[in-house]
Amino acid sequence: EIVLTQSPATLSLSPGERATLSCRASQTIVRSFLAWYQQKPGQAPRLLIYGASNRATGIPDRVSGSGSGTDFTLTIASLGPEDFAVYYCQQYAYLPLTFGGGTKVQIK
Amino acid sequence: EVQLVESGGGLVQPGGSLRLSCAASGFTFSVHWMHWVRQAPGEGLVWVARLNPDGSGPTYADSVRGRFTISRDNAKDTLDLQMNSLRAEDTAVYYCASQRLDSPVDYWGQGTLVTVSS
Repeated sequence: EIVLTQSPATLSLSPGERATLSCRASQTIVRSFLAWYQQKPGQAPRLLIYGASNRATGIPDRVSGSGSGTDFTLTIASLGPEDFAVYYCQQYAYLPLTFGGGTKVQIK
Repeated sequence: EVQLVESGGGLVQPGGSLRLSCAASGFTFSVHWMHWVRQAPGEGLVWVARLNPDGSGPTYADSVRGRFTISRDNAKDTLDLQMNSLRAEDTAVYYCASQRLDSPVDYWGQGTLVTVSS
């Protein structure tokens, strides 16, 4: 089973600031089958990034993903009020699908 | 519009059973791999089970194998999860979600809450 470790657990930032979230895998994720999701309280996860760096439909270009192998990053260039949420990385290269523990981006 | 709508959650005693259903619409259900993912209160996302587009190859997390059964009806565009021998640690919101070949899990339902308590 691939273990995904996200850091930091909590990120306290002000609107307009840049957010950088990390996801590290316990082994190489082939074909960069790594996705990022945003989840707000009481809502289902929403796909942001797939294939490590491809934005899902409707995701603004201030949200970007990068990385390969075992190290991946989600960057939000300038935080808007709608960006304060929990973010999860997930690998879909192997079963079981696994998720990171999440990073909560909260208002400073 | 793509929709996945779960139902069947509720309060059940330890050792009891519950059957969750997920109704799909707005996409070609029969070509999607279908998953159940759960989230305990205040916790992260945990994958539970997956089923191939044709209903073959059910795969389960270790924590539910032998107790849960995933199934689908492509004629009715529905996905089910039969949960037996429920434990307190199975308490969670259960999401159904879909995935195409070599693609991420993209569509999610709104979730249904299962509470296992005496």
